Amino acid sequence: AQSVTQLGSHVSVSEGALVLLRCNYSSSVPPYLFWYVQYPNQGLQLLLKYTSAATLVKGINGFEAEFKKSETSFHLTKPSAHMSDAAEYFCAVSERSSASKIIFGSGTRLSIRP
Amino acid sequence: DGGITQSPKYLFRKEGQNVTLSCEQNLNHDAMYWYRQDPGQGLRLIYYSQIVNDFQKGDIAEGYSVSREKKESFPLTVTSAQKNPTAFYLCASSILSGTASTEAFFGQGTRLTVV
Repeated sequence: AQSVTQLGSHVSVSEGALVLLRCNYSSSVPPYLFWYVQYPNQGLQLLLKYTSAATLVKGINGFEAEFKKSETSFHLTKPSAHMSDAAEYFCAVSERSSASKIIFGSGTRLSIRP
Repeated sequence: DGGITQSPKYLFRKEGQNVTLSCEQNLNHDAMYWYRQDPGQGLRLIYYSQIVNDFQKGDIAEGYSVSREKKESFPLTVTSAQKNPTAFYLCASSILSGTASTEAFFGQGTRLTVV
């Protein structure tokens, strides 16, 4: 069965610093992988997705993530944090099997220090 | 505009009452989902459906029921059997690639408060 683990429920970085949000997955078959962002009292917005093309995936707002099969990881990075990046971030996995479903991690709250 | 509409945005109900949350999509997506979100617990899957008139239980289906009579609609009923129904509920839909669910699109959520 698929699962997702996000390391760190809260990450705080200074404005302009590197953002690194960690995600490890478990899947018995090649997965689709996603990162979503959520602002307070809103739905989730897709940042980027991995669908077995390039292992380095670029998304919106300057975010990118690298799929590493050997490490079963899909960490999210951004070279320089902006105040507007403060939000909750979710990693998700979908297996390419019958009746697949999308499973989410527990989320990481990103805070940006001025 | 194409998208997913959840209504209402805020909902208050008395304990012991059933309540139905609406979710409609005009994206022509086959798959639809209901998630529950509680602080610090991420999104937990309640029910999902890949085709009309068929749906499967997720991880926390107890105390909830759904129907999928039309492709564009996937209402969720929170029954009186749900012990702790106060939460933020999110509906989503996705395109299927074969049987795999690809990118999910989300509604704006319904915040249910039971008093």
